[in-house]
Amino acid sequence: AQSVTQLGSHVSVSEGALVLLRCNYSSSVPPYLFWYVQYPNQGLQLLLKYTSAATLVKGINGFEAEFKKSETSFHLTKPSAHMSDAAEYFCAVSDASGSARQLTFGSGTQLTVLP
Amino acid sequence: DTGVSQDPRHKITKRGQNVTFRCDPISEHNRLYWYRQTLGQGPEFLTYFQNEAQLEKSRLLSDRFSAERPKGSFSTLEIQRTEQGDSAMYLCASSHGAGGDEQYFGPGTRLTVT
Repeated sequence: AQSVTQLGSHVSVSEGALVLLRCNYSSSVPPYLFWYVQYPNQGLQLLLKYTSAATLVKGINGFEAEFKKSETSFHLTKPSAHMSDAAEYFCAVSDASGSARQLTFGSGTQLTVLP
Repeated sequence: DTGVSQDPRHKITKRGQNVTFRCDPISEHNRLYWYRQTLGQGPEFLTYFQNEAQLEKSRLLSDRFSAERPKGSFSTLEIQRTEQGDSAMYLCASSHGAGGDEQYFGPGTRLTVT
């Protein structure tokens, strides 16, 4: 069984400050890891994914994440927050060895960007 | 690229009524997924299709729920005898089916059961 824990259901940062959203996963098999963003009343948009290639993954809108197997973590960062980054962020894991590849999501982190 | 579309975007129904939602995936995608998202939570997997075959179902998918993908293109999700606990956002996603492939999500159908 797989699971994802997102530490901090709400994170506030000032515009221009570093964004750090935490994600820890549990998986008995090699995982694929994803970060999605969701704006109000919309579906999820993929920010980036880790699929066992480079451990530092760059995504859209200046976001990046680093896979750390020893820490079972996949934290999302952005050097400088923008007002448009305010949204809910979800970390997700899927089973790289399975065929269905359904995603198991964390409970999300709501990011607020303060002017 | 028209993306994943879902219809309707919003549905209000009375308890005990049946509802049906439709999902149109990205045209070349052979995998289709349904998820349910309640307020303050991440999406939870419901079921998955490879082409027209329904290959996996979550235990969340009670016998009041049924999903089809008759020609391997669009999919429908039907909920019979709706209950207030069914109120949620129902999300559809599609993917190519290759290794490590990402899922593209539709805008969702928000169901409110009164």
